[in-house]
Amino acid sequence: AQSVAQPEDQVNVAEGNPLTVKCTYSVSGNPYLFWYVQYPNRGLQFLLKYITGDNLVKGSYGFEAEFNKSQTSFHLKKPSALVSDSALYFCAVRDLGYGGSQGNLIFGKGTKLSVKP
Amino acid sequence: DADVTQTPRNRITKTGKRIMLECSQTKGHDRMYWYRQDPGLGLRLIYYSFDVKDINKGEISDGYSVSRQAQAKFSLSLESAIPNQTALYFCATQIGSQAFFGQGTRLTVV
Repeated sequence: AQSVAQPEDQVNVAEGNPLTVKCTYSVSGNPYLFWYVQYPNRGLQFLLKYITGDNLVKGSYGFEAEFNKSQTSFHLKKPSALVSDSALYFCAVRDLGYGGSQGNLIFGKGTKLSVKP
Repeated sequence: DADVTQTPRNRITKTGKRIMLECSQTKGHDRMYWYRQDPGLGLRLIYYSFDVKDINKGEISDGYSVSRQAQAKFSLSLESAIPNQTALYFCATQIGSQAFFGQGTRLTVV
């Protein structure tokens, strides 16, 4: 079964410092991986995705993510954090199974990012 | 206007009451989903629908039912609400691999 894990419940970063939010995956086959962000009192918003190609994918708001097949990871990164980046971040993988759930997204439990001034 | 609209945004209801959460979309997507979000548990799938005639249970469907009234409308019902159904509920559409979420309904069962 496909799954993703976000090992950190919370990540604290000072403004201006680089940030990393970790995600590891478990899939049979080539993974389709995603990052979503949830700002307070809002629904989730798409940040970026990896389907195939370059291992470094760029997304919205200056975020990028690095796909690492050998480590089965898809960590979210940003070179310089902003206070406004404070939010809940979800990693997701597309269900590649053969049943009726094929194509559904499977979400991690989320990581709360707190960026302090 | 939002592409995926949920009503109500907040609701407090009593144990045993029936309640319906509504979702409508203007994106023209066939796939629609209902998720529940609880702190520390992330998003869990309740029900999903690939079209009006195709309704499927997710991982936590017990105590919930849904209705896909049209391509644009997908409602979630709690037939007899209980306190552990207190949560933030999200409706979403999906096209290809990309999902689009509503702003959520915060439901409290007292």
